[in-house]
Amino acid sequence: QQQVKQSPQSLIVQKGGISIINCAYENTAFDYFPWYQQFPGKGPALLIAIRPDVSEKKEGRFTISFNKSAKQFSLHIMDSQPGDSATYFCAASMEGYQKVTFGIGTKLQVIP
Amino acid sequence: GAVVSQHPSWVICKSGTSVKIECRSLDFQATTMFWYRQFPKQSLMLMATSNEGSKATYEQGVEKDKFLINHASLTLSTLTVTSAHPEDSSFYICSARAITGGIGYTFGSGTRLTVV
Repeated sequence: QQQVKQSPQSLIVQKGGISIINCAYENTAFDYFPWYQQFPGKGPALLIAIRPDVSEKKEGRFTISFNKSAKQFSLHIMDSQPGDSATYFCAASMEGYQKVTFGIGTKLQVIP
Repeated sequence: GAVVSQHPSWVICKSGTSVKIECRSLDFQATTMFWYRQFPKQSLMLMATSNEGSKATYEQGVEKDKFLINHASLTLSTLTVTSAHPEDSSFYICSARAITGGIGYTFGSGTRLTVV
């Protein structure tokens, strides 16, 4: 059962454009939604995270938008750069429950 | 910030041998560590959760006798792949959660295991 659905699986964006990755979840008990960035041959690194009590969180060029009623959240990368080319995973977890559920991942390629 | 060191970063071993992968939290204590397996172009699959001083909890379908996990201290967890076979070749990643609580996780850099 895929509890966190992520799309698209691959994305090509021109330099300077906006990259948008979407995720949807099913379990309303989730209360922590992180995004991870993974480069080839490396472990995932936490990029940005949000809790459901806010609708948006911005850190630099990265913004998470959260829609609690729709059970959806998305990552926006503004002014995308070739160095942003990586695989991005959305995830969800809940306080007091140790497991993190990952989306399938989105391979982003930013072309010059 | 929190750093998790994973070693080795890559290893090649012969079929039938065992391989040990170490995961260390460098600047924090971790009561809980997690071991994931990742196939090419796929997401992370949780294999097991290890708690310091107690037995690991394995996910369904993961052979606990094949993937031995030890979490003997608050800064070290090890995964031993016993009697490795080519189908065990994969990217193994650990993550740790700080003893201070919260639900933030820090990942290691991963270990590429190739069994020949």
